Amino acid sequence: DAGITQSPRHKVTETGTPVTLRCHQTENHRYMYWYRQDPGHGLRLIHYSYGVKDTDKGEVSDGYSVSRSKTEDFLLTLESATSSQTSVYFCAIRDRQYEQYFGPGTRLTVT
Amino acid sequence: AQSVTQLDSQVPVFEEAPVELRCNYSSSVSVYLFWYVQYPNQGLQLLLKYLSGSTLVKGINGFEAEFNKSQTSFHLRKPSVHISDTAEYFCAVRGRNSNDYKLSFGAGTTVTVRA
Repeated sequence: DAGITQSPRHKVTETGTPVTLRCHQTENHRYMYWYRQDPGHGLRLIHYSYGVKDTDKGEVSDGYSVSRSKTEDFLLTLESATSSQTSVYFCAIRDRQYEQYFGPGTRLTVT
Repeated sequence: AQSVTQLDSQVPVFEEAPVELRCNYSSSVSVYLFWYVQYPNQGLQLLLKYLSGSTLVKGINGFEAEFNKSQTSFHLRKPSVHISDTAEYFCAVRGRNSNDYKLSFGAGTTVTVRA
């Protein structure tokens, strides 16, 4: 399973509050990704990282920020949560064969 | 940039019948292609991938897919499905350039296997 964990696994929060999701990997992979999954849209890339302190935007980055201060941790922050950010969030890593492996997901509900 | 179209959003099928899930892609460069499966309330798991070589690719759980460059397609097939194949299936594409680190996913196909 590529040693990927996500926390929390479920979260309910109120509109306007900040939320941070954590992705942790144990295998020292350089590339890490955050996706959101919504019905009818598949997975859409929010942000990705190609090393410590090296991050870039994906296709749906508005309202999200990320940080990577250590190789093993990639944090996704919703600066002020909105109902449109209710989704399932997946973290992924890319191995040396360019395959992506996914974490178990975090189900976020913004009320 | 690449894009993926999965032509069927829902595919109901009876147990032991064959199933085909259709995937077309668009890209200005050569690509790698992937199929992922997501069982209920789980993450995504790689089913199979096409990197190069034979255009017929075999994956886990009896699935196979055929890459057709002229039709820009990568359809997934299984000759006989089981109830346990009920899941959502995603086709994904990535450019072959080593600097191309992003996967583009289709919207998914939900397969429901009935007894």
